[in-house]
Amino acid sequence: EDQVTQSPEALRLQEGESSSLNCSYTVSGLRGLFWYRQDPGKGPEFLFTLYSAGEEKEKERLKATLTKKESFLHITAPKPEDSATYLCAVLTGRRALTFGSGTRLQVQP
Amino acid sequence: NAGVTQTPKFRVLKTGQSMTLLCAQDMNHEYMYWYRQDPGMGLRLIHYSVGEGTTAKGEVPDGYNVSRLKKQNFLLGLESAAPSQTSVYFCASSYRDDDTQYFGPGTRLTVL
Repeated sequence: EDQVTQSPEALRLQEGESSSLNCSYTVSGLRGLFWYRQDPGKGPEFLFTLYSAGEEKEKERLKATLTKKESFLHITAPKPEDSATYLCAVLTGRRALTFGSGTRLQVQP
Repeated sequence: NAGVTQTPKFRVLKTGQSMTLLCAQDMNHEYMYWYRQDPGMGLRLIHYSVGEGTTAKGEVPDGYNVSRLKKQNFLLGLESAAPSQTSVYFCASSYRDDDTQYFGPGTRLTVL
């Protein structure tokens, strides 16, 4: 059974304080790893897809990396508007995503 | 483009009542999905469809039925609602199974 674990469950940062969110997975045959951002009361919003170990993608203050066992979402110099829940999901041989429970990020001014 | 839309946005049901949630997408996507999101449990797949007229069970299908009569629409039905089905329901769609899934805004359902 595919398992996805995100840590920490919640993270509070000061504006400008860089940090990383972790997504570890135990799956058979990873086809892709997805990162989403979810604001309260809204649907998840796509951020990145990573397909193979060693791959990295960046968007503004966010950078996602992938190894054979885990993915990191690095947040550099965060701003209050980066506050959200960040979701990680894996795609394997099944045709749908398995999601982690998310990391709630709060960035204080 | 409206993307993925869901109706209704909110609904309160009594135990035993039935209802249908509607998802519509205007991106000509083949794949459509229904998830539920509960506190601390992340998103869990209920049912999905790989094309018009096809459906398949996900992780938590019991108590739900789905239909995909038109490519752009995916309906989720609750025949006899139970309090355990109180949740936020999200619909998503994608072009292929390994492609980005785009999510709707969600339906908050409360079953009393």
